[in-house]
Amino acid sequence: EDKVVQSPLSLVVHEGDTVTLNCSYEVTNFRSLLWYKQEKKAPTFLFMLTSSGIEKKSGRLSSILDKKELFSILNITATQTGDSAIYLCAVLGGSNYKLTFGKGTLLTVNP
Amino acid sequence: GAVVSQHPSRVICKSGTSVKIECRSLDFQATTMFWYRQFPKQSLMLMATSNEGSKATYEQGVEKDKFLINHASLTLSTLTVTSAHPEDSSFYICSARRDTEQYFGPGTRLTVT
Repeated sequence: EDKVVQSPLSLVVHEGDTVTLNCSYEVTNFRSLLWYKQEKKAPTFLFMLTSSGIEKKSGRLSSILDKKELFSILNITATQTGDSAIYLCAVLGGSNYKLTFGKGTLLTVNP
Repeated sequence: GAVVSQHPSRVICKSGTSVKIECRSLDFQATTMFWYRQFPKQSLMLMATSNEGSKATYEQGVEKDKFLINHASLTLSTLTVTSAHPEDSSFYICSARRDTEQYFGPGTRLTVT
């Protein structure tokens, strides 16, 4: 059975802190790993990672994938209160491009 | 862009009634759409994969007679929750696949009283 495990499950930090969110996976026919941010509605796409060792960056967010060790990290630097959300890691796999989600990390950034 | 809509965004129904949720890809054709369910403080759980013109593939533990999925066109999939019960109250999200990416709808919050 495909499995995606995220840690920590929740995290509380102060504005300006840097956070690292972890995602490990066991998936058949791995195609890519995706990070999403979910606030009150449906998830919004952050990154898609397909190759090992190539960092993807968008502003204060960055992510990298290690296909040998089967994990990814999402870094957020200089956190802001607007970064408070659930961050979901999902892995795309299988013949039908099925997404398997982790349980998410609830990030709370306090002023 | 790739836009996916869902309708309704919020629905309240009485126990025992059926509710239909629509998922549309607005600017692309999607041969495959996915239906997810998310309970409070939990992650998205895939319920079923909807393929245009064929029967949906349900995940283990999801009752196919209770959650009817129809994918009659390349831009529309529907999920019907039949004989809804309060434990079916949840956030239902669809996604549509284009190439290797999935685009999510905004979700439908179902409350069964």
